[in-house]
Amino acid sequence: AQTVTQSQPEMSVQEAETVTLSCTYDTSESDYYLFWYKQPPSRQMILVIRQEAYKQQNATENRFSVNFQKAAKSFSLKISDSQLGDAAMYFCAYRSAGSYGKLTFGQGTILTVHP
Amino acid sequence: DSGVTQTPKHLITATGQRVTLRCSPRSGDLSVYWYQQSLDQGLQFLIQYYNGEERAKGNILERFSAQQFPDLHSELNLSSLELGDSALYFCASSDRLGRTDTQYFGPGTRLTVL
Repeated sequence: AQTVTQSQPEMSVQEAETVTLSCTYDTSESDYYLFWYKQPPSRQMILVIRQEAYKQQNATENRFSVNFQKAAKSFSLKISDSQLGDAAMYFCAYRSAGSYGKLTFGQGTILTVHP
Repeated sequence: DSGVTQTPKHLITATGQRVTLRCSPRSGDLSVYWYQQSLDQGLQFLIQYYNGEERAKGNILERFSAQQFPDLHSELNLSSLELGDSALYFCASSDRLGRTDTQYFGPGTRLTVL
């Protein structure tokens, strides 16, 4: 079974600075997808970014980018120019390409943004 | 707004009772997933339906059941409720099975069992 580990329960960053959230996963599969979801205080789960394992290029969405290291099974999220609205719980998630879509989530990292 | 709707937003009930949570997927989405978020278990996959048929099961208790109707909305039924069933229940939808499947989440139903 696949597992996802987020080793940082809490992180903090100053507004306008850059922060990196870590995620590692364990799988024996070669084809899969990785995601970062954001959960603000409203509790809504919001997709931030996704990465296909067969693509070597790291995904980027505006201020959000990932560092995908397939051999190391590492998938970190970098948030540049942090904003107060980025404060939330961030979840890393794994989905096998061969499954029917079940997401396996990490434990989450609470990000605090200081003004 | 993801386009996925869930009702009710909040539900307070007593142990031993039965409740039904409802989910309407995004327009055109055929696949519905249910997840449970609790403090001790984190976010866990419960069950998936695709176009009315059950496709995958996760850590879903026997006291829980779900179905997807012809109009594609889904219901999650929780019975013989226990204190430990208190959690946030999410529904997510995606447009199809396959490689480009991305799940979009509803706002969740917060269940409190007293």
